[in-house]
Order: sequence, then structure tokens, then C-alpha cells
Amino acid sequence: GAGVSQSPSNKVTEKGKDVELRCDPISGHTALYWYRQRLGQGLEFLIYFQGNSAPDKSGLPSDRFSAERTGESVSTLTIQRTQQEDSAVYLCASSSPRGRLPIYGYTFGSGTRLTVV
Amino acid sequence: GIQVEQSPPDLILQEGANSTLRCNFSDSVNNLQWFHQNPWGQLINLFYIPSGTKQNGRLSATTVATERYSLLYISSSQTTDSGVYFCAVGVGGTSYGKLTFGQGTILTVHP
Repeated sequence: GAGVSQSPSNKVTEKGKDVELRCDPISGHTALYWYRQRLGQGLEFLIYFQGNSAPDKSGLPSDRFSAERTGESVSTLTIQRTQQEDSAVYLCASSSPRGRLPIYGYTFGSGTRLTVV
Repeated sequence: GIQVEQSPPDLILQEGANSTLRCNFSDSVNNLQWFHQNPWGQLINLFYIPSGTKQNGRLSATTVATERYSLLYISSSQTTDSGVYFCAVGVGGTSYGKLTFGQGTILTVHP
């Protein structure tokens, strides 16, 4: 697509429930990233995909968080047994490897605002 | 890990004024990007600038990689420039493309 698409845009869930967040990257972008932004804070790295492999999962906060990607397409971030501290905006970005395009920059989606009540 | 410090944390301007935002980082980088987050939360990539100088309209950026800092210049500011400006850096290796973000500079431009 023309941009990075994330769904849902907003999600309110009860503590203890599982949630699944979706990201559709720009077509042709092989790299995909998930970040988390708490209210008034900067962005925290969660996980990076190159194709469908994840060379860096170092930012996932706990084993309740997992992510997968289908080929060079859609990615889903799953949070199990949600806690109130998981409330944040979850942002997805995609980019292409250096050399594939003149400018190696991120394009972000609009994010999913997750509220755990 | 690498540390990224942005200054000033807050900046208030009158429309038409110029400003300079600074980003200091603690290690060598091979990726540096500036982003603007508008009041609705959308992050827009302004520059990919691991070194050198670039200009795009009223915005320009300079990165001096050997001295570990980058500057973002905003000239003739407009109310639509309001928002948060983030600097983000990457060090490559197995996480090529992964960025570490600074805490941002909150810019408010008054008419």
C-alpha cells in the first residue's frame, strides 16, 4: 500500500485478556519494526524483522509479548494476559535495506492506542 | 546501549522565528533520522542524515558524526511546525535499521 497501515486504531481491553495488533508495511519494504510509546515519553524499541525473521527481539518487555511476520508482509504483535502497564501507543514502521532506495528512512503507521482497564 | 540526548526539552516560539534543535549521541552511528510527531500523534520522517547536511524547504539538518551531534534548523517557523521533534540513531550490526530515540523536543509555535 501507499503507507504503513495499523489496526485497530484504538483498543480497550480488560486486564488479563489477550490482544493482537496488526501492521501492514509499505509494499516492498523488507524491514519492519515495532515500537511502544507511553504517554509523554519517547519511543521504546520492541522488535525488528528482516523479511520474516527477527534478528533482534531484545526490546520485548516480557514473555507475554510475541510477534510474527508473514514473509515480507503483515506482522502481528500479540500481548497475552494484558496488564495496565501495557497501556501505550504501539507503533509500527517499515523501511527498505540500504541501497534499495535512495533514502533509508522509516515510515511509521498511525499506531494502535491500547488501553488496559 | 547508546544514549541520545536532545535539547532543549521545550521550546516556545512566535511565528516567523528561527530555531535550532540539538541531538547528542554517545557512540558512533551509521543511521540518524529526525522525526516530527504532530499533535495527532503521527510521526513523519524529516531527514535521514547519518552525516553531512541536507535541506528541505524551511528545514535543514547537519550531522557531525565525528563529534557525535546533529542539529535540526527550523526557519520562519509556522504554527503547523508545533509538535515533538525526535532524533533517533542506529549503530548497525545485527540490528541494522533499529533506532534508539531521544526523549524529544516539544515545540510550540504561537501565531
